Amino acid sequence: DQQVKQNSPSLSVQEGRISILNCDYTNSMFDYFLWYKKYPAEGPTFLISISSIKDKNEDGRFTVFLNKSAKHLSLHIVPSQPGDSAVYFCAASGETSGSRLTFGEGTQLTVNP
Amino acid sequence: KAGVTQTPRYLIKTRGQQVTLSCSPISGHRSVSWYQQTPGQGLQFLFEYFSETQRNKGNFPGRFSGRQFSNSRSEMNVSTLELGDSALYLCASSQRTQSYEQYFGPGTRLTVT
Repeated sequence: DQQVKQNSPSLSVQEGRISILNCDYTNSMFDYFLWYKKYPAEGPTFLISISSIKDKNEDGRFTVFLNKSAKHLSLHIVPSQPGDSAVYFCAASGETSGSRLTFGEGTQLTVNP
Repeated sequence: KAGVTQTPRYLIKTRGQQVTLSCSPISGHRSVSWYQQTPGQGLQFLFEYFSETQRNKGNFPGRFSGRQFSNSRSEMNVSTLELGDSALYLCASSQRTQSYEQYFGPGTRLTVT
């Protein structure tokens, strides 16, 4: 049972344009969501998070949007840079799961110069 | 501040053997979680340790075990290795237990032949 799904295995965008990565979840007990970025041969790096009491959180070029009714979140990167090319993982947790993060399968983002 | 360190980075073992992986958390972090990453299953939670006690456990067989020392360093052990145990094993640390925001190490790549 895949409780967190990232339906796009890959995304390719031009430098300077917007990158939108999507994530859907099924478990209504999830109330905290995170995005991680992963380069080859490195561990995931925490990017940005959002609590279910918010619908938007911004940090520089990165913005996460949460639509609780649709059980959907998205990560916007504006403007995209070649150094953003990596695998992006969506993760979720909740009060009952505590430190246990449930991850999506990841989306490979490629930003072309 | 130094990040999470994991040793060894690469390991090759034979079916039936056992293996021990080590993780040193970020200084001041007292919680350590372990995850397994495989191409087929993605990132899956193994367990979390805090104050030398296992606080949370994923759905893995008893061959997977761990422990934490008084200095917060953690080890993970896999006994009777199977081919399917070949994976990237990631350790993540956080300041406290039940914390959603976790910081990952580079991982240990285990290959079972």
